[in-house]
Amino acid sequence: DVKVTQSSRYLVKRTGEKVFLECVQDMDHENMFWYRQDPGLGLRLIYFSYDVKMKEKGDIPEGYSVSREKKERFSLILESASTNQTSMYLCASSHTGIMARNQPQHFGDGTRLSIL
Amino acid sequence: AQSVTQLDSHVSVSEGTPVLLRCNYSSSYSPSLFWYVQHPNKGLQLLLKYTSAATLVKGINGFEAEFKKSETSFHLTKPSAHMSDAAEYFCVVRNTGKLIFGQGTTLQVKP
Repeated sequence: DVKVTQSSRYLVKRTGEKVFLECVQDMDHENMFWYRQDPGLGLRLIYFSYDVKMKEKGDIPEGYSVSREKKERFSLILESASTNQTSMYLCASSHTGIMARNQPQHFGDGTRLSIL
Repeated sequence: AQSVTQLDSHVSVSEGTPVLLRCNYSSSYSPSLFWYVQHPNKGLQLLLKYTSAATLVKGINGFEAEFKKSETSFHLTKPSAHMSDAAEYFCVVRNTGKLIFGQGTTLQVKP
């Protein structure tokens, strides 16, 4: 089974802090994604990566950056945390290539981040 | 542009009765469609996926969905609800490498 592991389930930080959320997958997936989930809004894509050192902006990248130095690891960075970034953050991964169109994304259990 | 609309934000059923969660999609070409389930404080788990091989798709835990191109719908059904089905459900359409999520439907199952 695919395993996507997020380093923290719950995290509390203060405004202005630099925050790192880590995600690791064990299935050699090329694609990795970061979403935030808010009530009534579903999941919104922040950033994604097709390969090591590659990154693409999603729908709501403002206030975030990402890092992918190794294929299995994808980090989300809040450069200067603000209260409106309090949310559930979900990491996902998937294969790419010819069959990618029908390949689902596999999700971690999420990190519930509170910014005080 | 592709989009997906879940027609109900909240559905309540009694245990043992059928479940219907409605989803309409918009796509300029043949879509890839998915249903995911999220139990409290957990990540998303894939229930089923439509890959154009068959219009009636069977998933895990007794769920199934029917792709209806003429109605642009992909509704999720289950003949008999269990208490363990209480969760949030997301209808998802794939746009190249990215997923587009519906707003979610919370399923409540009453004893």
